[in-house]
Amino acid sequence: QPVLTQSSSASASLGSSVKLTCTLSSGHRTYIIAWHQQQPGKAPRYLMKLEGSGSHNKGSGVPDRFSGSSSGADRYLTISNLQSEDEADYYCETWDSNTWVFGGGTKLTVL
Amino acid sequence: QLQLQESGPGLVKPSETLSLTCTVSGGSISSSPYYWGWIRQPPGKGLEWIASIYYSGSTYYNPSLKSRVTVSADTSKNQFSLKLSSVTAADAAVYYCARQIAVSGIRNIDYWGQGTLVTVSS
Repeated sequence: QPVLTQSSSASASLGSSVKLTCTLSSGHRTYIIAWHQQQPGKAPRYLMKLEGSGSHNKGSGVPDRFSGSSSGADRYLTISNLQSEDEADYYCETWDSNTWVFGGGTKLTVL
Repeated sequence: QLQLQESGPGLVKPSETLSLTCTVSGGSISSSPYYWGWIRQPPGKGLEWIASIYYSGSTYYNPSLKSRVTVSADTSKNQFSLKLSSVTAADAAVYYCARQIAVSGIRNIDYWGQGTLVTVSS
């Protein structure tokens, strides 16, 4: 069963960029993940699917400011030109043998 | 546009069974290639996958909850349901239904319901 590790919090200034990390456990470094955004008081929203190659496919309506990349076991979500509405919790998700797991989430604060 | 809507009691007594239904519009739960899943989020905490049902009817459960969980589907109503038995305070959470892709090894959630809060209290 894969385990996804995320930092609990991150912060960056309005208009700047931030890179969030989701790390796959040993033995699972090639796994595909998905990123989801959860704004305060709202349901999660699918952002993108991200492969180990760095190839990513975004969900409908996801702004170009959101992009994904990968390095080894790490999967990244980069948000450029940070807006106030980007302040949210970000979760990564993966799956194995018809079971699904989530990372603990990163709370992003926009300063 | 696909939409998912959870419904069910917002208050369940300890030791009783939690029952929720997800009504899907804008797509059929019996069309491939999708799973339909349940995820929960205790207040102030992260997301936990509970169970999923494949469009063919096969079911999959989180091992930590498997003994208490049943997921089923009613294709005539385009709904799928969750039952969680013997609930305790630890089961209090916002419960989300979601669609999960099933294509070429890809299994991620791509649509979420708005969620429904379930409180466990006598």
